[in-house]
Amino acid sequence: QKEVEQNSGPLSVPEGAIASLNCTYSDRGSQSFFWYRQYSGKSPELIMFIYSNGDKEDGRFTAQLNKASQYVSLLIRDSQPSDSATYLCAVNKGSSASKIIFGSGTRLSIRP
Amino acid sequence: EAQVTQNPRYLITVTGKKLTVTCSQNMNHEYMSWYRQDPGLGLRQIYYSMNVEVTDKGDVPEGYKVSRKEKRNFPLILESPSPNQTSLYFCASRKDRDMPYQETQYFGPGTRLLVL
Repeated sequence: QKEVEQNSGPLSVPEGAIASLNCTYSDRGSQSFFWYRQYSGKSPELIMFIYSNGDKEDGRFTAQLNKASQYVSLLIRDSQPSDSATYLCAVNKGSSASKIIFGSGTRLSIRP
Repeated sequence: EAQVTQNPRYLITVTGKKLTVTCSQNMNHEYMSWYRQDPGLGLRQIYYSMNVEVTDKGDVPEGYKVSRKEKRNFPLILESPSPNQTSLYFCASRKDRDMPYQETQYFGPGTRLLVL
């Protein structure tokens, strides 16, 4: 079992709809959870981080964390073609602030 | 402009020929890290550094060395590269060392390495 698992996609969503990206993790001691966006040929950029159970909203993005079920999700409302990218879920390893484990990413495609 | 720079951006080399990929940040960040990215495997951490002269292994350190003699620089050294080290490499830096950290992790532009 991978430490951080994501569906590789591609996930195709019509423009204006809600895109839902999911991630599960295996280490119950993990405390910090991140979503990065990576455009093709570019470096990852952080779009959301969440530490507490529940929802965290930032503009069109909402991160959801459920530690009991060990999953974290990212919702993108009003999806735009510019949201087409690979989304990487990342989780700190145990109680360490230094070791970050990334999922292999979900490719999202927003169709006009 | 706040940034992380890496050099070279592209490199083709042969097995066994030592190489160094440089990484430099201008944000006075304490924490720096190296990752490699391979298709289907995502980003995997190679080494990280909490501060000058403090480095530690990530998940895939075999075949790599690092040093942190200055706060701004964190070079990645491949003493004897092999074809399985062909990959896309990213350097990253972050202000905070401890959790929960509020600052984002800034990534460099990446270095594409091909080892023949």
